[in-house]
Amino acid sequence: DTAVSQTPKYLVTQMGNDKSIKCEQNLGHDTMYWYKQDSKKFLKIMFSYNNKELIINETVPNRFSPKSPDKAHLNLHINSLELGDSAVYFCASSRTHYEQYFGPGTRLTVT
Amino acid sequence: QKEVEQNSGPLSVPEGAIASLNCTYSDRVSQSFFWYRQYSGKSPELIMSIYSNGDKEDGRFTAQLNKASQYVSLLIRDSQPSDSATYLCAVNRDRGSTLGRLYFGRGTQLTVWP
Repeated sequence: DTAVSQTPKYLVTQMGNDKSIKCEQNLGHDTMYWYKQDSKKFLKIMFSYNNKELIINETVPNRFSPKSPDKAHLNLHINSLELGDSAVYFCASSRTHYEQYFGPGTRLTVT
Repeated sequence: QKEVEQNSGPLSVPEGAIASLNCTYSDRVSQSFFWYRQYSGKSPELIMSIYSNGDKEDGRFTAQLNKASQYVSLLIRDSQPSDSATYLCAVNRDRGSTLGRLYFGRGTQLTVWP
């Protein structure tokens, strides 16, 4: 019954490693997003993806790369992880221009 | 200038009172406005959306939008302890685009005491 799901829920890794977070939605939405919530709880857009159109937020390092195999899935791959990448990453989805629904989040800790 | 600003709080109200949460935004082309509730350790949960000037009511929640003043608010009537959470104001600025990125304020922490 889950609308937007993410795996894993927790991710602990060392600096320099490469990791991926997966997101799936079963709402039939056509747009998906990645958000980052930092330690001060500020939630910031990273990417939005509508079919083959990808918008990259200018503040996101190119170590972060989203990949969407189909409309229901959006993955986030992170290369060469840094301490500052530690945060909670949320996936969200929506019908174009409408309300966004968030997944449960992935807490990434880089040591 | 921050794109979306909220009073960080904390805002503390007694049970049964009206809680009033405020938000201002900087970009006049903003089209859509949302209120999310986030409990500690959980994901943001959509509670209200508003697209045109005026009031929109849903149960105990009322969202108010004034585009001329670039101001959106959320009123919670008959506040309950279960309403204690952080409330996030979000604005969609992607006019004419299919990509509705949301820009969030830093949230207002609300505590409702019994």
